[in-house]
Amino acid sequence: GENVEQHPSTLSVQEGDSAVIKCTYSDSASNYFPWYKQELGKGPQLIIDIRSNVGEKKDQRIAVTLNKTAKHFSLHITETQPEDSAVYFCAEGGSNYKLTFGKGTLLTVNP
Amino acid sequence: EAGVTQFPSHSVIEKGQTVTLRCDPISGHDNLYWYRRVMGKEIKFLLHFVKESKQDESGMPNNRFLAERTGGTYSTLKVQPAELEDSGVYFCASSQPGAQPQHFGDGTRLSIL
Repeated sequence: GENVEQHPSTLSVQEGDSAVIKCTYSDSASNYFPWYKQELGKGPQLIIDIRSNVGEKKDQRIAVTLNKTAKHFSLHITETQPEDSAVYFCAEGGSNYKLTFGKGTLLTVNP
Repeated sequence: EAGVTQFPSHSVIEKGQTVTLRCDPISGHDNLYWYRRVMGKEIKFLLHFVKESKQDESGMPNNRFLAERTGGTYSTLKVQPAELEDSGVYFCASSQPGAQPQHFGDGTRLSIL
């Protein structure tokens, strides 16, 4: 079945530094890769997504890269701010719409 | 535009009791999904509705769980009887017809004592 590995499980950075979270997946049929941010007491909020016909996508300080050959994708956050502190989840989806999630990364941005 | 709303936000019940969770999707979203996260684990898919029809229920753990979406609007997820291992956060998500992305609600935190 589908499997998504996410690393690291925790990440601590200084304000202004960059943060990178990586995920690998196993299903060759996967074609949709969203990233969600979850703050305490809230549900996952979509921050960026990428489809398999695109290698990179950027939205202000956030970027996602996808390597379909190697079956991995990464989230890059530049110029981190304390409000970026949260749990980040990667996920993958295919034609059946269900999402398979990674276990999450707790990002802490220290002022 | 109102987001996905879930009720209740928290529920504490004893083993053997029944609990019903409710999800109101974003207006116009034909696709409705249920997921759950048990402690220390990843968020896992339970099932997917397209309007009132169950499109995929491959993630439902057993027959103690019953999901309905009568009329294709809101959905309920009933757990009967609840067991200790059912504790966790249950999320609902919705998406537009034939499309991603999925928008999540804030979840229902379910505790079974």
